[in-house]
Amino acid sequence: DTGVSQDPRHKITKRGQNVTFRCDPISEHNRLYWYRQTLGQGPEFLTYFQNEAQLEKSRLLSDRFSAERPKGSFSTLEIQRTEQGDSAMYLCASLADSYEQYFGPGTRLTVT
Amino acid sequence: GEDVEQSLFLSVREGDSSVINCTYTDSSSTYLYWYKQEPGAGLQLLTYIFSNMDMKQDQRLTVLLNKKDKHLSLRIADTQTGDSAIYFCAEVGGGSYIPTFGRGTSLIVHP
Repeated sequence: DTGVSQDPRHKITKRGQNVTFRCDPISEHNRLYWYRQTLGQGPEFLTYFQNEAQLEKSRLLSDRFSAERPKGSFSTLEIQRTEQGDSAMYLCASLADSYEQYFGPGTRLTVT
Repeated sequence: GEDVEQSLFLSVREGDSSVINCTYTDSSSTYLYWYKQEPGAGLQLLTYIFSNMDMKQDQRLTVLLNKKDKHLSLRIADTQTGDSAIYFCAEVGGGSYIPTFGRGTSLIVHP
């Protein structure tokens, strides 16, 4: 297993467009997290899944953001009607029943 | 909400030890992480420690936890230029599976 993968690595979009990111966790990791990271900050929690169930969402997550993990394997994060303030690195992480949370390389979103 | 604080920068000479500090406010913290992030990359898990432990050692890394003072430190022995990166501390509170991260400490190692 090569670790957590994310696609695309970079995305440039115009304000108002919708974007979707994909995360493939490490096999058999039942928990999957999405974070957002801006320059000079640590990762900020967005949402997490246990298998296919979305168990928690940040209060900071607006209605324009939606995440799915339909079969308990890969996950998608969609941002509708993007705004310039959505420009950030979007990180995915997964873990099994241990405490070792592994991050993917991230998707860098630039909204112009 | 809970808070995690780190100093923003640390500069050390190659071969010296580095000590990166972190303080947190959550009195119900159950475990804490240290991550390393290189430019343009995701976060690499370095180590974690349970809140009922005082110390954990892993090769060049030593983690010290003072639960009374809510203070966590990461010591890197024999620091190398390849250790230059941003180091993040994160804590997970009781009953939660959600880490709260600090802003990161940028470690600069110079020859």
